[in-house]
Amino acid sequence: DTGVSQDPRHKITKRGQNVTFRCDPISEHNRLYWYRQTLGQGPEFLTYFQNEAQLEKSRLLSDRFSAERPKGSFSTLEIQRTEQGDSAMYLCASSPRQGAGGNEKLFFGSGTQLSVL
Amino acid sequence: AQKVTQAQTEISVVEKEDVTLDCVYETRDTTYYLFWYKQPPSGELVFLIRRNSFDEQNEISGRYSWNFQKSTSSFNFTITASQVVDSAVYFCALSEEYTGRRALTFGSGTRLQVQP
Repeated sequence: DTGVSQDPRHKITKRGQNVTFRCDPISEHNRLYWYRQTLGQGPEFLTYFQNEAQLEKSRLLSDRFSAERPKGSFSTLEIQRTEQGDSAMYLCASSPRQGAGGNEKLFFGSGTQLSVL
Repeated sequence: AQKVTQAQTEISVVEKEDVTLDCVYETRDTTYYLFWYKQPPSGELVFLIRRNSFDEQNEISGRYSWNFQKSTSSFNFTITASQVVDSAVYFCALSEEYTGRRALTFGSGTRLQVQP
């Protein structure tokens, strides 16, 4: 169990540029989540995958955001035409749990800190 | 709509003091789950506990204890004999069963500083 890995740890970009983050979940975890956390706030849900299927998206996930999880393993989160308001910590989490509801324990990565200048 | 309120933004204590972190939640669902996560300076959130809405028994795990009271919609967390390593941001979170949604709703967190 090597934990959830996120890359890069930090990203600085200029407004209008595209950025892509990667998340490697714990192997054999079939569920993968993206959350966003701004300074002084709790994480906010963005989207969720079960295997390769994206099953839930938050209204926070505007058209400029796209997430993929090809082959149900790692996931990428892309932000196009970044804005200063996109500056935040982007957290990935995974869980092995089957079944309905949202009661499983999540394993979080250390996040990617995005700064948009 | 579900909501989690952590009114204490920051708490500072001296080592070995007991400290209680408050969490108040709102939900219309009768089946829901409450969580506490710890976020140390390294950034990754670490799961501490999960309770379902039908289990109001208080729980103790070492120096940690949790007090779940449905009557007041609270799920408070107490650290006994705090240590410097307990310094972190602590988040309370809620998920609902009825909607089938997987999203956790987090509170805004309480930053705990334990001074030596």
